[in-house]
Amino acid sequence: DQQVKQNSPSLSVQEGRISILNCDYTNSMFDYFLWYKKYPAEGPTFLISISSIKDKNEDGRFTVFLNKSAKHLSLHIVPSQPGDSAVYFCAANMDSNYQLIWGAGTKLIIKP
Amino acid sequence: NAGVTQTPKFRVLKTGQSMTLLCAQDMNHEYMYWYRQDPGMGLRLIHYSVGEGTTAKGEVPDGYNVSRLKKQNFLLGLESAAPSQTSVYFCASSYRAGRVISGANVLTFGAGSRLTVL
Repeated sequence: DQQVKQNSPSLSVQEGRISILNCDYTNSMFDYFLWYKKYPAEGPTFLISISSIKDKNEDGRFTVFLNKSAKHLSLHIVPSQPGDSAVYFCAANMDSNYQLIWGAGTKLIIKP
Repeated sequence: NAGVTQTPKFRVLKTGQSMTLLCAQDMNHEYMYWYRQDPGMGLRLIHYSVGEGTTAKGEVPDGYNVSRLKKQNFLLGLESAAPSQTSVYFCASSYRAGRVISGANVLTFGAGSRLTVL
C-alpha cells in the first residue's frame, strides 16, 4: 500500500527550461509534504516543504505546489541547471507523527 | 561540522555473518533513524529512536536490531546476514523541541553504508 507515489522513474529536461516533478498521495491525513534531493554516493538532503494548509511554497528556483483535492503535489525548478541532476524524493508526514512516508524517487537529468 | 557520520561506508559479508553499522550525530538531535534503500523503492524505515535508551520498530525491522545507549549514537546490527539484506543503509536524525511534535519532519542524513551479503 503505497501512500506516496512518484510515477515517473526518470525525467530529462534541457538546461534552462522548467523541470516539473510530480508526486501523488492517498492519505488525506498528511499535514506536511517534503522534497529531498539525492546525489549518487550521498545521503538525501532536504530541499523544500509545504504545509497542507498552503497551496504554494517558493524558495529561490524551487516552488512546490499542492492540490489537496487531487492529492497531488509538484516541484518546479526554474531555470534548470546541470547541478540539479539528482534523484528527487517526495515524502510526507502527519503532525504529531515523526515517521516520514517516502515515494520511490524520480531521477532528474538536466541536458546541456 | 560533521552532521551525521556512518561507518563503515562499504562492507561485504558472507551469509550468516554478523556486523554492526555505527551512526553518530553531533547536532544534539533527539530522534534517530535507520533506513534501507533498494533500487526502484523509496526509503524504508527499519528502526528508529525517539531518545537515548529507547528504540522502536519501523516498516521492515526483521533481521535487524538496534541500540541507542548514548544520545549521539545509533547502532544497527545484523545478527545473521542474508542476501536479502544487500542494500544501502542510511542513518538520519531530526530535532523535535519539547513534548509537542509538530511540523515537517526535516531529517539530516548520513552518506550511506553499502552492504553486500554473498
